[in-house]
Amino acid sequence: QQQVKQSPQSLIVQKGGISIINCAYENTAFDYFPWYQQFPGKGPALLIAIRPDVSEKKEGRFTISFNKSAKQFSLHIMDSQPGDSATYFCAASKGGSQGNLIFGKGTKLSVKP
Amino acid sequence: DGGITQSPKYLFRKEGQNVTLSCEQNLNHDAMYWYRQDPGQGLRLIYYSQIVNDFQKGDIAEGYSVSREKKESFPLTVTSAQKNPTAFYLCASRTGALPGELFFGEGSRLTVL
Repeated sequence: QQQVKQSPQSLIVQKGGISIINCAYENTAFDYFPWYQQFPGKGPALLIAIRPDVSEKKEGRFTISFNKSAKQFSLHIMDSQPGDSATYFCAASKGGSQGNLIFGKGTKLSVKP
Repeated sequence: DGGITQSPKYLFRKEGQNVTLSCEQNLNHDAMYWYRQDPGQGLRLIYYSQIVNDFQKGDIAEGYSVSREKKESFPLTVTSAQKNPTAFYLCASRTGALPGELFFGEGSRLTVL
């Protein structure tokens, strides 16, 4: 019940395409869902986050879609660029943004020029 | 510039030796965390501390120890009891106020020879 399942493990997208990464959770007590971006040799950095009271949040080319009934959320990267090539982690926590985060296993995204 | 400094960036250790990884933050954050990252495994929580002189075990605390004598510092010791210590170790911190974003250091890569 504590797991966050992320897919796919790896993703190759052409420049300008849409990258979609999916996550699913079981614990209905989770109430904070962030996405982190990690470049090789660096620590992850917060990209965007959502709470379950909204179904979608957009920041620039990055959008989180949230489906509370299905217990799923996804990251969409529009107009993907080579600079977006990184590993993306979804996460979830209960207790809002102060709860300990449970991370998915990550998706390695490669955007080809 | 405010941030989290981890050292050393690379560390080699012989089997049976303890090693201590340093983590220092100047963000004035209350909470600090240690994660372990293995390929395809995501980020797993080792230990966390919400306040000075107090810390809690995470999901994979066996073979590790920490201390929190100062707000700015949260060193991690990988002991000889850790069965498979070769990994990328990430330190993070978070303010007690919203939105609760986790800030990560750049990591320490430990290799056991």
